Amino acid sequence: RKEVEQDPGPFNVPEGATVAFNCTYSNSASQSFFWYRQDCRKEPKLLMSVYSSGNEDGRFTAQLNRASQYISLLIRDSKLSDSATYLCVVNRGGKLIFGQGTELSVKP
Amino acid sequence: EAQVTQNPRYLITVTGKKLTVTCSQNMNHEYMSWYRQDPGLGLRQIYYSMNVEVTDKGDVPEGYKVSRKEKRNFPLILESPSPNQTSLYFCASSFGGRDTGELFFGEGSRLTVL
Repeated sequence: RKEVEQDPGPFNVPEGATVAFNCTYSNSASQSFFWYRQDCRKEPKLLMSVYSSGNEDGRFTAQLNRASQYISLLIRDSKLSDSATYLCVVNRGGKLIFGQGTELSVKP
Repeated sequence: EAQVTQNPRYLITVTGKKLTVTCSQNMNHEYMSWYRQDPGLGLRQIYYSMNVEVTDKGDVPEGYKVSRKEKRNFPLILESPSPNQTSLYFCASSFGGRDTGELFFGEGSRLTVL
């Protein structure tokens, strides 16, 4: 079993839809959590950190549930430009573990 | 402009011919790392460095070497490349510590070993 697991996707949604990505991690010693976005053939870029209290950045909301070892990313009012692969990342003692990513395709 | 610069961006080489992929960052970051990305396997860490002269193996270090003689540079060395090292390579850096997860990535180096 992988230490960080994500829905494999792809998620195909219409513009304006709300989409949620899930991520689970197996090591309870994990300390901090992040969502990255990666466009096709490009480098990953930090989308947002994930805090225990949950955090929001515009149309994006990240949640962390330490008891269930679960992280989520919610995208509201999807735009065509949101099409990308979303990577869940866990920091365990300074070591970053990447999920395999969930591909999102937003259609007109 | 804050950035991580990798070179070369694209390289086709032959088995056994030593090569180096350079990585340089201008953000005074302490932490630097190399990843390879392969279809179906995601991003896997090769080596990382918490500071100058400190390097550690990641998940897939076999066949690679690194060095960190200066804070800004973290080259990846393939002493004797093999076809299974054909991949997309990313260098990344961050301030380290609790900010380790806030990585800045280079644009990637696509390597093909024939």
